[in-house]
Amino acid sequence: NAGVTQTPKFQVLKTGQSMTLQCAQDMNHNSMYWYRQDPGMGLRLIYYSASEGTTDKGEVPNGYNVSRLNKREFSLRLESAAPSQTSVYFCASSENLGGRAGGRGIQYFGAGTRLSVL
Amino acid sequence: AQSVTQPDIHITVSEGASLELRCNYSYGATPYLFWYVQSPGQGLQLLLKYFSGDTLVQGIKGFEAEFKRSQSSFNLRKPSVHWSDAAEYFCAGNAGNMLTFGGGTRLMVKP
Repeated sequence: NAGVTQTPKFQVLKTGQSMTLQCAQDMNHNSMYWYRQDPGMGLRLIYYSASEGTTDKGEVPNGYNVSRLNKREFSLRLESAAPSQTSVYFCASSENLGGRAGGRGIQYFGAGTRLSVL
Repeated sequence: AQSVTQPDIHITVSEGASLELRCNYSYGATPYLFWYVQSPGQGLQLLLKYFSGDTLVQGIKGFEAEFKRSQSSFNLRKPSVHWSDAAEYFCAGNAGNMLTFGGGTRLMVKP
């Protein structure tokens, strides 16, 4: 079972460059999420999609855009990368079991994308 | 504001010793509570969850956690640690608007 697949695994960008992080899940989940992980801060929610066709801002959305392409795929775009966006990015998916962001739904995570912005 | 706090950034235990990782939450009402583990270079894997009912919950890999409403805590425990338990552990809570993570506790296991 593939679960949640993220591409690429590693990326180095120069300041001002753009890129899209891809995420796909094969568990037929309604909800999908993008997080960033920084040392000592745990994971912070960037954007989420409760269902196909909807997206909402999380805790740290500035500098990012998302697209819920279909039920399986949820992409994260950096239009003009900045050094402050150097981080590890995780995609997750879950059943939508109440609330705005999954409620009791257990979130399943991809292996992450390690991004460096120089 | 809703928050989850893990007071210990690093913990070192000897193999075979018992383990307790602390987690405190601050929410208006009891949130759904989760413990996740992250091995180096990997994503997060769910260890256990608490929604309601029995305050002692069992998880995978021999872990358990106890919910204590009076202390706003959800501490993770394991009676005997194995070298393969070395990883980073995250407590998280969800009161319906988003999953909020603590800062994580890195566990090191001495042989």
